[in-house]
Amino acid sequence: KNQVEQSPQSLIILEGKNCTLQCNYTVSPFSNLRWYKQDTGRGPVSLTIMTFSENTKSNGRYTATLDADTKQSSLHITASQLSDSASYICVVSASPGAGSYQLTFGKGTKLSVIP
Amino acid sequence: DAGVTQSPTHLIKTRGQQVTLRCSPKSGHDTVSWYQQALGQGPQFIFQYYEEEERQRGNFPDRFSGHQFPNYSSELNVNALLLGDSALYLCASSLGLDAGEQFFGPGTRLTVL
Repeated sequence: KNQVEQSPQSLIILEGKNCTLQCNYTVSPFSNLRWYKQDTGRGPVSLTIMTFSENTKSNGRYTATLDADTKQSSLHITASQLSDSASYICVVSASPGAGSYQLTFGKGTKLSVIP
Repeated sequence: DAGVTQSPTHLIKTRGQQVTLRCSPKSGHDTVSWYQQALGQGPQFIFQYYEEEERQRGNFPDRFSGHQFPNYSSELNVNALLLGDSALYLCASSLGLDAGEQFFGPGTRLTVL
């Protein structure tokens, strides 16, 4: 069964500090891994998408890493801002066959940035 | 460039009723996927529509049905509502059936009393 596990479940950090969120997955056959930011009550917004051959990808203060061998990914947030407070969801895509794919969502990490 | 839009924003229904949610995909997109997100949980895949046909379906009962129109917009219908159907319903659009990027709408918050 395809699964995506995220840790920690929640995190509180001071404004200006860095943090790292973790994602472990058992999804096969792997196609790509995405990180989304979801504000409370809103739809997720894509931060990064990485394929098997990509080890790292940045989007401003967000940097995602992927280790396809250990099936782990991390999302590093640098110099956090109050607006970073949100849930961060790891999503892994599997491509079981041509013309189809399946997305497996993690439960998310709820990040709170406080002044 | 219009993003994904959903209507209504909020909806309150009672058990046993039926509900229809609507989604317009991002301009240029032809594939629509629907998700149910319970409070504190990640989104759960309901189904995906492409070329006006249901292409994939998650583990949801037949009470959940959908439709895609020639202009690529889509509807999600839920019959015989249960309290457990209360959730944020998300629509996501993409191009084709490859595992490309999906763009999510703001969601419809459904409350079943």
